[in-house]
Amino acid sequence: ETGVTQTPRHLVMGMTNKKSLKCEQHLGHNAMYWYKQSAKKPLELMFVYSLEERVENNSVPSRFSPECPNSSHLFLHLHTLQPEDSALYLCASSPEDTNNEQFFGPGTRLTVL
Amino acid sequence: SQQGEEDPQALSIQEGENATMNCSYKTSINNLQWYRQNSGRGLVHLILIRSNEREKHSGRLRVTLDTSKKSSSLLITASRAADTASYFCATDALGGKLIFGQGTELSVKP
Repeated sequence: ETGVTQTPRHLVMGMTNKKSLKCEQHLGHNAMYWYKQSAKKPLELMFVYSLEERVENNSVPSRFSPECPNSSHLFLHLHTLQPEDSALYLCASSPEDTNNEQFFGPGTRLTVL
Repeated sequence: SQQGEEDPQALSIQEGENATMNCSYKTSINNLQWYRQNSGRGLVHLILIRSNEREKHSGRLRVTLDTSKKSSSLLITASRAADTASYFCATDALGGKLIFGQGTELSVKP
C-alpha cells in the first residue's frame, strides 16, 4: 500500500452520465495529481494541486473538472464524456509539487460506453 | 515529442537472468526517476537519481545516468517472475513536473 487510495476501482458510464472519482492520501503531502493512462501511451498529466490550489492544467477538456477541498482529498468530476476518455485514471501525491518522488494510488479503470 | 523514451518496448527473459532497460530524454533535468507498474495498477517508485550522480543501487536494482548522452539505464539483476511488470522512467524537465515515457514491458519466465 502506498498510502494513496482511489475509489471506485472500476467505473462504467454512459456519455450522458455524471460521475466523480475520489482520491485520498494519508501521507501528509502537499501536492496531488491526476494522470490519464491510455493503452500504448505515456502517462498524461492532467491536473496538479499544491496546497489545495491548482497549479497546472494541461489543456484538459472541460468535461473533466477537478476539485481539491483539502490537502488530503482530490476529486475528478466527469460529465458528458466520450468513448475515447476510457482509460486508467491515476491519482498521485508528493511532499511538494517539484522534484519529488510521487506516490500513486491503484487507479480507477473507466469505461465510457 | 515526449521527454522520456524507454528502450526496448518489450523484453522477455528467463528467471535468473539480468534485465537492462534504457531511457533517453531530451532536455536538462534535475533528477530522473524509475517506476514500476503491475498490470492495471498504480505506479510504484523504485529509485531516484540526481543529475550530479552517475550510479545508484537499491537491492537488485542498479541505475546509471549519463547526462552528456541524456540517457539512463535500469538493471535488474537475478530477475524473478515477480519482476514481471512495466517499467517507466520519468524526468522532471517541465518546471519540476514529471514527464513519463511509454515504458518497457518486462516479462520474466519461470
